[in-house]
Amino acid sequence: EPEVTQTPSHQVTQMGQEVILRCVPISNHLYFYWYRQILGQKVEFLVSFYNNEISEKSEIFDDQFSVERPDGSNFTLKIRSTKLEDSAMYFCASSERGGNNEQFFGPGTRLTVL
Amino acid sequence: AQKVTQAQTEISVVEKEDVTLDCVYETRDTTYYLFWYKQPPSGELVFLIRRNSFDEQNEISGRYSWNFQKSTSSFNFTITASQVVDSAVYFCALSEGAGNTGKLIFGQGTTLQVKP
Repeated sequence: EPEVTQTPSHQVTQMGQEVILRCVPISNHLYFYWYRQILGQKVEFLVSFYNNEISEKSEIFDDQFSVERPDGSNFTLKIRSTKLEDSAMYFCASSERGGNNEQFFGPGTRLTVL
Repeated sequence: AQKVTQAQTEISVVEKEDVTLDCVYETRDTTYYLFWYKQPPSGELVFLIRRNSFDEQNEISGRYSWNFQKSTSSFNFTITASQVVDSAVYFCALSEGAGNTGKLIFGQGTTLQVKP
């Protein structure tokens, strides 16, 4: 069964460093998303992406964040200068039809900022 | 304002008991969708169900059933004859609007522990 994959599973970085979280969505999906989950809290929407453009972004998704689809398979989230409060689990999701249709999530990348 | 409330933070049951997880939502839109996701201890989010605002029919899938009531803005999830493998965090989520970009609004989650 096709699935969303994410690498790395765990990333440890120093405050102020740049990190890139990588995702490979399901191959025939066209809509991509990033969410984050601070430990013990709810899952929060960060950004949606379609047709090489951001469709919507949340207040969390400030200038330190960017997304890219550098090739036909990868979808990346970059945090330019990490802060302690960026420590969280980051989930990538993809959807075949977008909108209100179901999203399939990857296993997550745990980001720890020291 | 758009909001999803899962008032039960943690529930603990003994195997084979039935358990209901509550979800109450707030939205001003007449078109919206409700979802349930399961997050097992391994951490991934597993899609369980999607229901649109125009379909109030209850749904059953094996031991799982969902009760959608617009009058009370609730979308509750019942597991019948619970099993240890059902132990997980369960999230209810909302997406709203006909032109929605896919943004899901999640509740706080309910941690279900099923003891043998």
